[in-house]
Amino acid sequence: DQQVKQNSPSLSVQEGRISILNCDYTNSMFDYFLWYKKYPAEGPTFLISISSIKDKNEDGRFTVFLNKSAKHLSLHIVPSQPGDSAVYFCAASAVGSYQLTFGKGTKLSVIP
Amino acid sequence: DAGVIQSPRHEVTEMGQEVTLRCKPISGHDYLFWYRQTMMRGLELLIYFNNNVPIDDSGMPEDRFSAKMPNASFSTLKIQPSEPRDSAVYFCASSQGNNSPLHFGNGTRLTVT
Repeated sequence: DQQVKQNSPSLSVQEGRISILNCDYTNSMFDYFLWYKKYPAEGPTFLISISSIKDKNEDGRFTVFLNKSAKHLSLHIVPSQPGDSAVYFCAASAVGSYQLTFGKGTKLSVIP
Repeated sequence: DAGVIQSPRHEVTEMGQEVTLRCKPISGHDYLFWYRQTMMRGLELLIYFNNNVPIDDSGMPEDRFSAKMPNASFSTLKIQPSEPRDSAVYFCASSQGNNSPLHFGNGTRLTVT
């Protein structure tokens, strides 16, 4: 039973446009959410996070939105750049837990 | 900060052999995690340690898998005997806890033939 779902395995976007990556979760105990980026042959690297007490967190070109009632979060990248091409993982942890549950990832391709 | 260091980067072995994966976490990080990535199941948590003590090993698939952390700067994940279905990329990660993000190593790609 997947508790964190990324339903789009892949996404292609033109350079300069907005990339929107989506993530849904089922566990109502999750209270902390993160996005990781992964290049081939490397480990995932932390990108941005959001606590359940917020509905938006922004860091430069990256913004994460959280809709708790819908159990949905999204990552917006604007403007998208070719270097953003990677696999993006959504992850979540529950109250009092240090374990992260990951989605299966979305492969983003930014076309020059 | 050298980051999390894993060795070897690639391991090819025959079914039935023992495999040992190694990890050096970031200095000062109290938490160490072992994850496995496969196409079918994505990134799965196998086990994690806090201050060198295993806290949750419920993700370890079978008794063939074991993990140790003899000190704050070293951990091993051992598979004995290995099977073809163990083929995957194994990641080690460390963190300071308290909702601080995990820092991953570059992984060990294991192929069991």
